Amino acid sequence: DQQVKQNSPSLSVQEGRISILNCDYTNSMFDYFLWYKKYPAEGPTFLISISSIKDKNEDGRFTVFLNKSAKHLSLHIVPSQPGDSAVYFCASRLGKLIFGQGTELSVKP
Amino acid sequence: DTGVSQDPRHKITKRGQNVTFRCDPISEHNRLYWYRQTLGQGPEFLTYFQNEAQLEKSRLLSDRFSAERPKGSFSTLEIQRTEQGDSAMYLCASSLSSGHPYEQYFGPGTRLTVT
Repeated sequence: DQQVKQNSPSLSVQEGRISILNCDYTNSMFDYFLWYKKYPAEGPTFLISISSIKDKNEDGRFTVFLNKSAKHLSLHIVPSQPGDSAVYFCASRLGKLIFGQGTELSVKP
Repeated sequence: DTGVSQDPRHKITKRGQNVTFRCDPISEHNRLYWYRQTLGQGPEFLTYFQNEAQLEKSRLLSDRFSAERPKGSFSTLEIQRTEQGDSAMYLCASSLSSGHPYEQYFGPGTRLTVT
């Protein structure tokens, strides 16, 4: 039973353009949603989060959107940079964190 | 560097052997978490501690797995009688229980290979 799903295993974007990573969830009881970024040979690092009572949170080039009726969240990166190339995990919190499978983003110069 | 550290980074063992991993959290963090990550999947929650108390264990944590955090600082995760299905990356994370408890800081992980 996959409560948090990232249906795109990979995404390729040109430098300077927008990257949009998507995540779907099934449990309406989740109270926080988070995005983590992971480089090879490192642990995931926290990127940005959003409370379930909000629909948007912005931090520099990163914006997370939450659509509760669709049980969908997305991470927008504008403009994308080659250093953003990594695996991105969405996670939902219900006490503990439940992670999606990850999306590998490749930003090409 | 005051981040989360894990030791060893890699472990190769034969099926049936016992292994133990160590995690040192960020010093002021009172919560410590263990996750397991397999190829193509996100981290899966195993267990977490607040100080020395183990507050939650996943059903993934079979009776061959045991975790301790004896003095509320570092933690160990032991796997007894390892099986090939235990091969995975074992991640440790820490956080504060106040402020932003959802912001967990991860260590680099211990990659376990069971042959």
